[in-house]
Amino acid sequence: LAKTTQPISMDSYEGQEVNITCSHNNIATNDYITWYQQFPSQGPRFIIQGYKTKVTNEVASLFIPADRKSSTLSLPRVSLSDTAVYYCLVVWNNDMRFGAGTRLTVKP
Amino acid sequence: DVKVTQSSRYLVKRTGEKVFLECVQDMDHENMFWYRQDPGLGLRLIYFSYDVKMKEKGDIPEGYSVSREKKERFSLILESASTNQTSMYLCASSTLWTDDSNQPQHFGDGTRLSIL
Repeated sequence: LAKTTQPISMDSYEGQEVNITCSHNNIATNDYITWYQQFPSQGPRFIIQGYKTKVTNEVASLFIPADRKSSTLSLPRVSLSDTAVYYCLVVWNNDMRFGAGTRLTVKP
Repeated sequence: DVKVTQSSRYLVKRTGEKVFLECVQDMDHENMFWYRQDPGLGLRLIYFSYDVKMKEKGDIPEGYSVSREKKERFSLILESASTNQTSMYLCASSTLWTDDSNQPQHFGDGTRLSIL
């Protein structure tokens, strides 16, 4: 049975880099990992997606090691507005699984 | 910009009632999804649909059914509501997934349903 595991919560300070790791069963070379951000009273919003080594966009980076048993969302220089819950989503073949979410609190 | 609209933000119903949650998307997406979100459990897939009149069970379909008569609309039905179905319900849509791509989902803002 597919399973994803994330830390329940993390604290950080403004300006720091934050790394959130999602652990999952071995995934195939073309299985995607997607990260979403959710604010209170809103639906999750797409941040970044990838299936190999490293992907970077204007807001985050996604790192996938060679063993593909985990992935790491990296948020550079967080601000107070990055306080939110972050979810990883892994798709194995036709099985899709969200993690339980990581509540990130950014402090001044 | 993709818009996924859920018909109600808050809904209160009684045990045993038949409940309809409606979702509409405006981007001609093939895939539509219904999730429930509970503290500590994240998002759990109830049903999804990849085409009109097509549906697939997710992880927790018991007590629910769905209807997709038009491409833009996906309805979740609680046949006989029970208190353990009190939850936040989220609808999402995406373009069709292929072997080469796994398009991200776009979510509505949720319906908080309370069953008394």
